[in-house]
Amino acid sequence: NAGVTQTPKFQVLKTGQSMTLQCAQDMNHNSMYWYRQDPGMGLRLIYYSASEGTTDKGEVPNGYNVSRLNKREFSLRLESAAPSQTSVYFCASSERPVHNSPLHFGNGTRLTVT
Amino acid sequence: TQLLEQSPQFLSIQEGENLTVYCNSSSVFSSLQWYRQEPGEGPVLLVTVVTGGEVKKLKRLTFQFGDARKDSSLHITAAQPGDTGLYLCAGARTNAGKSTFGDGTTLTVKP
Repeated sequence: NAGVTQTPKFQVLKTGQSMTLQCAQDMNHNSMYWYRQDPGMGLRLIYYSASEGTTDKGEVPNGYNVSRLNKREFSLRLESAAPSQTSVYFCASSERPVHNSPLHFGNGTRLTVT
Repeated sequence: TQLLEQSPQFLSIQEGENLTVYCNSSSVFSSLQWYRQEPGEGPVLLVTVVTGGEVKKLKRLTFQFGDARKDSSLHITAAQPGDTGLYLCAGARTNAGKSTFGDGTTLTVKP
């Protein structure tokens, strides 16, 4: 049982390049989330998908787009990367909405934008 | 504006000592979760508290949810080097569909 799988693990981009971060979960969870984590800071929510077919903005959505491809997969796209997007990105899933269901995290994608 | 404030931000102690970390807010949460994160990995859930005044114990870790459901604490008894990590609290409200995380407490336990 792999849980939440994120790819790639590491990525270096130049300013202006685009890329998609992939996330898949095999726990049949309904809700999925994308967070970013910067040094000295906790996790900040970028976008989330409460259920298949829906997506909503989190605290820091600017510069990102998401796609809930199916129940298992939730991707995060950077259309034109900026140095301010250098961060560690975590995907998470939960069986139900988070107020009564814990988050299960992947191991992160470490992104550097030069 | 940080909705959840954790203190202290950093804590370095010797093996065997006790410690308490705090998670405070001016907002009411329907549930609060504590996670532990090790370098290079994602956070892992330690506990969820949902009732005001609730106390939960997980071996040497004791979690308390404030009566008003605005704050929480994590107490570790006789800390061990294996307790080293980043401790994060996260609050959620009913029907909000998302959690808000604190900035975390980085704990180092020296042998």
